[in-house]
Amino acid sequence: EVVMTQSPATLSVSPGERATLSCRASQSVSSNLAWYQQKPGQAPRLLIYYATTRASGTPARFSGSRSGTEFTLTISSLQSEDFAVYYCQQYNNWPPLTFGGGTKVEIK
Amino acid sequence: EVQLVQSGPEVKKPGESVKISCKGSGYTFSNYWIGWVRQMPGKGLEWMGIIYPGDSDTRYSPAFQGQVTISADRSISTAYLQWSSLKASDTAIYYCARHESEGDWIDYWGQGTLVTVSS
Repeated sequence: EVVMTQSPATLSVSPGERATLSCRASQSVSSNLAWYQQKPGQAPRLLIYYATTRASGTPARFSGSRSGTEFTLTISSLQSEDFAVYYCQQYNNWPPLTFGGGTKVEIK
Repeated sequence: EVQLVQSGPEVKKPGESVKISCKGSGYTFSNYWIGWVRQMPGKGLEWMGIIYPGDSDTRYSPAFQGQVTISADRSISTAYLQWSSLKASDTAIYYCARHESEGDWIDYWGQGTLVTVSS
C-alpha cells in the first residue's frame, strides 16, 4: 500500500498570503495524484488531478507541482473561502487508492 | 448536472445490519466507477472500494474486504454500501464518489451519509 504523508498538519496563514502544502508518497506514483478541498460539514471537492491539472472551476490561484515523490499544492493568495482541510490522494497503485492525512489551513 | 444523492442518516445498534444508497443523475450511471469513502469523526478520508455499475465489477481496499459489501443496480442508477453486523467503530460519514475512470481521481462526491452505531 502506498502511504501518503502530508505536512504540515496545520498551516496558519493570513489572508492574501501564500500557502504551500506538501504531500510525499512512500513510492513512485508517477503524476497520478489529486488534491481535494474539504470545508466543515461539506463533502470534499476536487481541485487538481494529474498533479498539476486544475479541475473545472478551480481558481487559478491554486497550482500543483511534482518533484519525484514530493508533491506541492500552492495557493498564491489566500482568500477567506480557502480556509479548509486539503487532502492529497494517489491513484497510481491500487487497490487501495490512498489519501494523505490532510492539512488544515487556518486563519492566522 | 452530475449529482450523487445519498440516503439519510442511520442510527443502529451493534450487530444490526444497514444498507445505504447513492443515486446518480445527470450522466450515464453505468459508464462510471462509483467508490465509497469513509470519514470517521474528526478524521481523514479512507477509500473503501469501487464498483462499475455496467457489469458490477467490484474491488475492495484490503482494510474493508469482508467487512462491507458494495453493490449497484444500474436500472435505477443506484449504488449501495451495506453491513451485515455493525460495530461501534463503524460510526462515520460515508461518501459515495464518482471516479473519472477505473481507479482514477474522484470528480464528483455525494453529500455523505452519517451512520451512527451505539447501544
